[in-house]
Amino acid sequence: AQSVAQPEDQVNVAEGNPLTVKCTYSVSGNPYLFWYVQYPNRGLQFLLKYITGDNLVKGSYGFEAEFNKSQTSFHLKKPSALVSDSALYFCAVRTSGTYKYIFGTGTRLKVLA
Amino acid sequence: DTGVSQNPRHKITKRGQNVTFRCDPISEHNRLYWYRQTLGQGPEFLTYFQNEAQLEKSRLLSDRFSAERPKGSFSTLEIQRTEQGDSAMYLCASSLARDGVVTIYFGEGSWLTVV
Repeated sequence: AQSVAQPEDQVNVAEGNPLTVKCTYSVSGNPYLFWYVQYPNRGLQFLLKYITGDNLVKGSYGFEAEFNKSQTSFHLKKPSALVSDSALYFCAVRTSGTYKYIFGTGTRLKVLA
Repeated sequence: DTGVSQNPRHKITKRGQNVTFRCDPISEHNRLYWYRQTLGQGPEFLTYFQNEAQLEKSRLLSDRFSAERPKGSFSTLEIQRTEQGDSAMYLCASSLARDGVVTIYFGEGSWLTVV
């Protein structure tokens, strides 16, 4: 069965510092990986995805993520955090042959001024 | 380009009543998803349509839940005889099926509170 784990409920980082939000996955077959962000009382907004190719993918708002097949990870990163990045971040996975996207439990990012 | 639209955004209902949520996907998107999200959790898959065909349903979708997409455009999610455990945000998402892996785009969600 497909699954996604986000091991940290919350990540605190100072504004201007680099941030990392962790995600690991478990699938049979090739994974398709996604990151979404959710602001309070809003739906989820797409940030970036990994399908194939370069392990480092770039997305919206300066975010990027690194796919690591051997560690089955897809960590979200940003070189310099902004206070406005504070939100709930979700990692999701899908595999070929299904159309179901499985989401992690989310990581709350708090960027401190 | 309008996004996924969901109505109503908020609904408070008494236990035992029926509620219906509507989702209008992005124009021309032929795939439509319903998810449920409770506080502190990630979205949980409920069901998926390709055009008007409901291709997959989660075991979370009990007999009290029914979803339709009659003309392959908008979709409705009905919950009959609501229970307090149904209180959650119901999210709709859509995508356009093409070769390769598609991104799903979410609406703003419909909050349900059962009192």
